Amino acid sequence: AQSVSQHNHHVILSEAASLELGCNYSYGGTVNLFWYVQYPGQHLQLLLKYFSGDPLVKGIKGFEAEFIKSKFSFNLRKPSVQWSDTAEYFCAVRSGANNLFFGTGTRLTVIP
Amino acid sequence: EADIYQTPRYLVIGTGKKITLECSQTMGHDKMYWYQQDPGMELHLIHYSYGVNSTEKGDLSSESTVSRIRTEHFPLTLESARPSHTSQYLCASSEIGGGANYGYTFGSGTRLTVV
Repeated sequence: AQSVSQHNHHVILSEAASLELGCNYSYGGTVNLFWYVQYPGQHLQLLLKYFSGDPLVKGIKGFEAEFIKSKFSFNLRKPSVQWSDTAEYFCAVRSGANNLFFGTGTRLTVIP
Repeated sequence: EADIYQTPRYLVIGTGKKITLECSQTMGHDKMYWYQQDPGMELHLIHYSYGVNSTEKGDLSSESTVSRIRTEHFPLTLESARPSHTSQYLCASSEIGGGANYGYTFGSGTRLTVV
């Protein structure tokens, strides 16, 4: 069965610190990978996605993620976080025509 | 701004009541989904639909039911609410076929509390 693991449940950073949120999945076939963000009181929004090509994908608001097939990972990064990045971040995986499987989410708190 | 709308945003209801959570999208997406989200837990798929008159149960068993009479509308109904149904319910939609590349569009969610 597919699964998505986000090992960091809550991350607290100061502004300008660098961010890396881990995401690992278990599925051996071709996958599509996504990061979603949910700002306080708002709906889930697509941050970035990978489906083929360059394994380093760039998303909105300066976020990027790298797909490392050998490690079954799709970690989210940002060089310098801002207070406005405080949100919950969800990694999701889709294989073939199957539905999205989400991780448990990582809550990011950025301290001004 | 998402073109998928959920109402109500918040709902507090007594045990045993029948409730319907509304979800509508204006993007013409064929595929729609209902997820249940609890704090610290992953989003669980409870229902999905490939199009009109199509409904499927998701990965997480749920006592709720859904219907898809129109493309844009995918309501979720609980015939008799119980405190164990207290959760956040998220509706989403995507395109079929190319949907794998486009991801999902989510609504703002309905936070349901059953007392």
